[in-house]
Amino acid sequence: EVQLVESGGGLVQTGGSLRLSCAASGFTFSSYWMSWVRQAPGKGLEWVANINEDGSEKYYVDSVKGRFTISRDNAKNSLYLQMNSLRAEDRAEYYCARYNHYCMDVWGKGTTVTVSS
Amino acid sequence: QSVLTQPPSVSGAPGQRVTISCTGSSSNVGAGYDVHWYQQVPGTAPKLLIYGNNNRPSGVPDRFSGSKSGTSASLAITGLQAEDEADYYCQSYDSSLSGSVFGGGTKLTVL
Repeated sequence: EVQLVESGGGLVQTGGSLRLSCAASGFTFSSYWMSWVRQAPGKGLEWVANINEDGSEKYYVDSVKGRFTISRDNAKNSLYLQMNSLRAEDRAEYYCARYNHYCMDVWGKGTTVTVSS
Repeated sequence: QSVLTQPPSVSGAPGQRVTISCTGSSSNVGAGYDVHWYQQVPGTAPKLLIYGNNNRPSGVPDRFSGSKSGTSASLAITGLQAEDEADYYCQSYDSSLSGSVFGGGTKLTVL
């Protein structure tokens, strides 16, 4: 079964850091681009970042550039999102997704990030 | 303000047909990039509903269909069922942003 499982969410103070992880199974992880997508409470979906198959290409939404870093470890079938200098507006459910032909065809269940002052 | 524009809400009675529009611009939908649709039942993760403008993943009923023309796309749902009540999002790629863009989402209420 194709599956993505996020972890690492939690409560962090404004200005703090958090590292999200996403464990992939059921498909050849190293053959796919991957994405992070977030959803603030009561709001819509927002694309956060993409990474290509070998990690050599990374793209970010403007609001997280310079603060968030997407990475992957193909040997561990894992995707990561390092989040630094967290702001109140980063509070959201963060989803890991497989990015396939420009769409997110497999999604994890999400991990919750709460930023408080 | 989302890059792709969707109506905030639509509604219909069981058995009826509803459509949800998604309007983009020359840097995304109008540039020829495909539009994809997701269904999100509150409290759960989004699920891919339509990919490549008008293709259904395995397991998605043929009551759901998509279309695209110019800078706009539409999702049509026929034979509405209570279980279709959810939020629906369109998504495309934007060349000026070098990334994916979503619509603001449309809440479908089955009356």
